[in-house]
Amino acid sequence: DAGVTQTPRHEVAEKGQTIILKCEPVSGHNDLFWYRQTKIQGLELLSYFRSKSLMEDGGAFKDRFKAEMLNSSFSTLKIQPTEPKDSAVYLCASSLTGVYAEQFFGPGTRLTVL
Amino acid sequence: GDSVTQTEGPVTLSEGTSLTVNCSYETKQYPTLFWYVQYPGEGPQLLFKVPKANEKGSNRGFEATYNKEATSFHLQKASVQESDSAVYYCALAPMNYGGSGNKLIFGTGTLLSVKP
Repeated sequence: DAGVTQTPRHEVAEKGQTIILKCEPVSGHNDLFWYRQTKIQGLELLSYFRSKSLMEDGGAFKDRFKAEMLNSSFSTLKIQPTEPKDSAVYLCASSLTGVYAEQFFGPGTRLTVL
Repeated sequence: GDSVTQTEGPVTLSEGTSLTVNCSYETKQYPTLFWYVQYPGEGPQLLFKVPKANEKGSNRGFEATYNKEATSFHLQKASVQESDSAVYYCALAPMNYGGSGNKLIFGTGTLLSVKP
């Protein structure tokens, strides 16, 4: 079975650019999560979808970060405009809809903003 | 709010020695607790989870007991191997009926390096 797929694996952007990261969840999973991972903060939740409905949008990340789920098998995370402090690994995860279900993570996209 | 605090890394051990990574949590709800492990170049993966207080979870020689009184969930392994080198994350899922049932709150992670 295919796991969570993320593209691209690496992205380099200039400050002020718009970038779009993509995620394909595990087939049949209804919950989808976007996280930002840094050495200092660890894993921070950006967005949480259940059956394509946005359940949580990560508060502090609202202004320049927008996640969308157009269908059950594809999600995007747009960062607009990018800033150097956005340099991090962005992880996508999915899970079955069930209480305390295991989250399956993709390999992540490493974003560098110059 | 909900939070998780764990041992700051990096932790460096020799093969065959014992490991303890401390994890403490705060929540006003009734959480399920998790340990995730992340190997280089990969996303985190579930090591094990424990949904009930005073129960123990284990996998691959790692174990942790959900101590409700102490609000702790320390990760232990009696004898580490070089292949255990990874980042370990403690996490909690607050028992929140409705939309946040699968939301996880992660600690900042502990980098473990095991030397041969």
